[in-house]
Amino acid sequence: AQSVTQPDIHITVSEGASLELRCNYSYGATPYLFWYVQSPGQGLQLLLKYFSGDTLVQGIKGFEAEFKRSQSSFNLRKPSVHWSDAAEYFCAVPAGGGGADGLTFGKGTHLIIQP
Amino acid sequence: NAGVTQTPKFQVLKTGQSMTLQCAQDMNHEYMSWYRQDPGMGLRLIHYSVGAGITDQGEVPNGYNVSRSTTEDFPLRLLSAAPSQTSVYFCATTRGGWNGELFFGEGSRLTVL
Repeated sequence: AQSVTQPDIHITVSEGASLELRCNYSYGATPYLFWYVQSPGQGLQLLLKYFSGDTLVQGIKGFEAEFKRSQSSFNLRKPSVHWSDAAEYFCAVPAGGGGADGLTFGKGTHLIIQP
Repeated sequence: NAGVTQTPKFQVLKTGQSMTLQCAQDMNHEYMSWYRQDPGMGLRLIHYSVGAGITDQGEVPNGYNVSRSTTEDFPLRLLSAAPSQTSVYFCATTRGGWNGELFFGEGSRLTVL
């Protein structure tokens, strides 16, 4: 079964510093990969997705992610974080039913921004 | 344009009570699904539907029922609530055909005493 692992439960970053959140996937074929963000008290919002092609994908809010097949990774990056980036971040892959049965999510990384 | 609307936002139940979480969407999406979110567990799929009249089980379906009589609505029923069902529940939709973007409601926080 497809799965994702987010090794870091919590990450603390100073405002203005760079950010990298890790995601490792287990997937049988060319993976579809997603990053979602959840602000406090809100539902999830799609940040970016990778289906094929260029391995560096750009998303909303200044985020980007790089697909590395050799490392089975899809890490999320941002050059300079803002206090408003404090949130929960989830990496996800399709659950395996071709889209009908949604996504399998990692357990999330809680991002804390220090002033 | 409301998107995905969940009601209620908060609910407290006693063990054994039943209730229905409502989900309505105005995006004309074929696929709808219910997830539960628990601390340290991420989101887990409960049930999903690929269209009116069609539903299927996800990863954690026990204790929950769903039906899909219209494109717009996908209610989640707890038949006999248990403390283990204390969670935040999210409804999500996506277009027919796989493009990956799930649109989420704001969630319903349920506490079972």
